[in-house]
Amino acid sequence: DGGITQSPKYLFRKEGQNVTLSCEQNLNHDAMYWYRQDPGQGLRLIYYSQIVNDFQKGDIAEGYSVSREKKESFPLTVTSAQKNPTAFYLCASSISRVNEQFFGPGTRLTVL
Amino acid sequence: AQTVTQSQPEMSVQEAETVTLSCTYDTSESDYYLFWYKQPPSRQMILVIRQEAYKQQNATENRFSVNFQKAAKSFSLKISDSQLGDAAMYFCAYRRNNAGNMLTFGGGTRLMVKP
Repeated sequence: DGGITQSPKYLFRKEGQNVTLSCEQNLNHDAMYWYRQDPGQGLRLIYYSQIVNDFQKGDIAEGYSVSREKKESFPLTVTSAQKNPTAFYLCASSISRVNEQFFGPGTRLTVL
Repeated sequence: AQTVTQSQPEMSVQEAETVTLSCTYDTSESDYYLFWYKQPPSRQMILVIRQEAYKQQNATENRFSVNFQKAAKSFSLKISDSQLGDAAMYFCAYRRNNAGNMLTFGGGTRLMVKP
């Protein structure tokens, strides 16, 4: 089955630690995206990548980093510089930069 | 910058009835897309319906339809014959064409369906 996988579903980390969230897709999509969702709010774009080895900052990139070494993978690292990292993180992909985005199931990150 | 506003934090509807969710947006662009996404308790985002701004005809997808008022910058979602499975958060989203496919989301409306 084609789709987007995010692992793990729940992630706990101590304050001050970096943590990497996984996002994999087997849809052969060129573009991938990371969003953050806080309770009772909509999604906000963190980073996006339209092709391998290229990515751009979204609206709230501070304290986050990404890489796009393979077409199917777009991991997000939440660094210790992110002041409020506890949130729900959603990954998405699209065939190209102009097509609809399909979303993964998300990862709930809690920093203790 | 574009903004998307959903003024109804919560709505409720009786099963089999019709409900309309509101969305307004602010943009100076003329070429853009609008979307409604559904987020059930599983939290996976599901595309419900999309509307291209250059099309005057309102989009429909089975029980879901939109009322797109471009001049008023309004994009409401109508759900007919509401079902228990329609209970979810609904998000309105805007995407400017030729802008790297970046979506701007509203704050969401929680829809409750009463049996």
